[in-house]
Amino acid sequence: QVQLVQSGAEVKKPGASVRVSCKPSGYTFTAYYMHWVRQAPGQGLEWMGRIHPNSGDTNYAQKFQGRVTMTRDTSISTAYMELSRLRSDDTAVYYCARGLYDYSGYYPYWGQGTLVTVSS
Amino acid sequence: EIVLTQSPGTLSLSPGERATLSCRASQSVSSNFLAWYQQKPGQAPRLLIYGASSRATGIPDRFSGSGSGTDFTLTISRLEPEDFAVYYCQQYGSSPLTFGGGTKVEIK
Repeated sequence: QVQLVQSGAEVKKPGASVRVSCKPSGYTFTAYYMHWVRQAPGQGLEWMGRIHPNSGDTNYAQKFQGRVTMTRDTSISTAYMELSRLRSDDTAVYYCARGLYDYSGYYPYWGQGTLVTVSS
Repeated sequence: EIVLTQSPGTLSLSPGERATLSCRASQSVSSNFLAWYQQKPGQAPRLLIYGASSRATGIPDRFSGSGSGTDFTLTISRLEPEDFAVYYCQQYGSSPLTFGGGTKVEIK
């Protein structure tokens, strides 16, 4: 069965960067886009972007352009999301998510979430 | 960017009642690429509906989706105790993918 396992919680200072990892199992890593979605405390869901692990092609939401970098390491079947120049309003749970099919934009599969806290 | 507006913000109902949740888009959703999710505290969202009306695997048939263009509805025919949660709509027809602000279904 498909599972997405994310790295643990992080606490960062404003201006720092954070990298969250997502390691899937149960399918061929390079065959499906990996998406990243975040959720601030008590707030709704926000799509950040996606990466195709085979080609490394990325699409980012304009809001995060210049601050987010999505990468992958195919040798260990792991996807990464790095967010730089962190601010307090970046405090959120960050999820990786996979679509039903390669190009699907709806997500039956989610990681468990990684809480990133930005605080001085 | 397509803005999704969900209403009501909170729905107070009793088990066994019917729940009707609305999601309105600021422009037409391409190919009715609209999904619904359920989220409980401390959990990742759970996919309920995709393509506006197709139930995801394992979702009970008391959940149904309808609508097209800019107006979509999620209906829960008879609320079970486990259905009290927050529900989000999402459009995936155009980039950026966007989510609605959510509707909380609470026990009356």
